[in-house]
Amino acid sequence: EVQLLESGGGVVQPGGSLRLSCVDFGFTFSRHAMSWVRQAPGKGLEWISIITGDTHTTYYANSVKGRFTISRDNSRKTLYLQMSSLRADDTALYYCARNFNGTHNDYWGQGTLVTVSS
Amino acid sequence: EIVLAQSPGTLSLSPGERATLSCRASQSVSSSQLAWYQQKPGQAPRALMYAASTRATGIPDRFSGSGSGTDYTLTISRLEPEDFAVYYCQHYGTSTWTFGQGTKVDIK
Repeated sequence: EVQLLESGGGVVQPGGSLRLSCVDFGFTFSRHAMSWVRQAPGKGLEWISIITGDTHTTYYANSVKGRFTISRDNSRKTLYLQMSSLRADDTALYYCARNFNGTHNDYWGQGTLVTVSS
Repeated sequence: EIVLAQSPGTLSLSPGERATLSCRASQSVSSSQLAWYQQKPGQAPRALMYAASTRATGIPDRFSGSGSGTDYTLTISRLEPEDFAVYYCQHYGTSTWTFGQGTKVDIK
């Protein structure tokens, strides 16, 4: 069974940095593109980044481009999101999700909460 | 950038009724690039449909999807108590992925 477990969330001051991790338990991690999606409190879903499985090609939403970096370590079956220059509007629950053949997100973690506040 | 507009914002129905949710794209998208998700309070989203009309693994056949171009629809033929939730459409493109703002289906 596919299981994704995010970690690394917490409270950080505006302008600060944080690195999120997402560990895969149960599937061939390197074969799948992986995404980060966030959800601000009481709001909808916002896609923020994706990384391909083998070529490590990356894409970002405009809202995080230049501030966030997605990466992966296939040997550790781990996805990362390095976040810098954090702002209050980055406060959200951050989900990692597997991409099915580069299309939709077929498996999701339970999320890790990031709060940007002074 | 493609924008997805979902309607209505909230749909109030009773169990057993039919639910019809709309997702309209700001420009034409391929039906192979449209998905739907369900999210219940305190839970991660769950994939329902992809390629507009293909049910994801384990999704019951009371859920169906259709559409083309700019207009897509998710239909729940007979609402079960567990179907009351928020539903999102998603476009997955070549370099950007976009979600609609969601439609809440609540109990009338």
